[in-house]
Amino acid sequence: SAVISQKPSRDICQRGTSLTIQCQVDSQVTMMFWYRQQPGQSLTLIATANQGSEATYESGFVIDKFPISRPNLTFSTLTVSNMSPEDSSIYLCSVFSGTEAFFGQGTRLTVV
Amino acid sequence: AQSVTQLDSQVPVFEEAPVELRCNYSSSVSVYLFWYVQYPNQGLQLLLKYLSGSTLVESINGFEAEFNKSQTSFHLRKPSVHISDTAEYFCAVTEISGSARQLTFGSGTQLTVLP
Repeated sequence: SAVISQKPSRDICQRGTSLTIQCQVDSQVTMMFWYRQQPGQSLTLIATANQGSEATYESGFVIDKFPISRPNLTFSTLTVSNMSPEDSSIYLCSVFSGTEAFFGQGTRLTVV
Repeated sequence: AQSVTQLDSQVPVFEEAPVELRCNYSSSVSVYLFWYVQYPNQGLQLLLKYLSGSTLVESINGFEAEFNKSQTSFHLRKPSVHISDTAEYFCAVTEISGSARQLTFGSGTQLTVLP
């Protein structure tokens, strides 16, 4: 299994600013995944973060808007840049351990 | 590419009644299948999963799901629901091939259990 500590759990931010979300895993993992869950919607994969290389972004997501760092095998950050109200969502990080995915508790972001 | 379709966005049901939440998937290769539950203002929790073997899998709280390869379905059922089962339920799939693991989620089904 894997335990993920994600922070902050929630934040209210002004438009135009940036927020960095952190995820710490209690074991070493090759890949970490970042998802967005917009209000009333399902989870959409933003990007896959590998240690030592650039993240791989899904269609509709770009590095300038969602820069990701992966300095080691247990830690990753996602930054939501130049925020607008449309970025108000829950952001989650995830890892696979064996055949099961584990999720952080999520960061509930509100942009005003 | 894989995809997941959850046919019902909202399912209201009375307490102690049976319920079925439908999930269909599409993939060109073999997959693992999952049901996740999200209670209000909480994170995602794994409810049950199908990896291989018996096509009927069960959770500890009375839910079960049956993998049907010919119909590419993985419907979730419970014979008698409780108020506490009210939550959002997500079906998800990941392809078995390779070492990469990423989940593709369905759009979710809001189960509301009425007294």
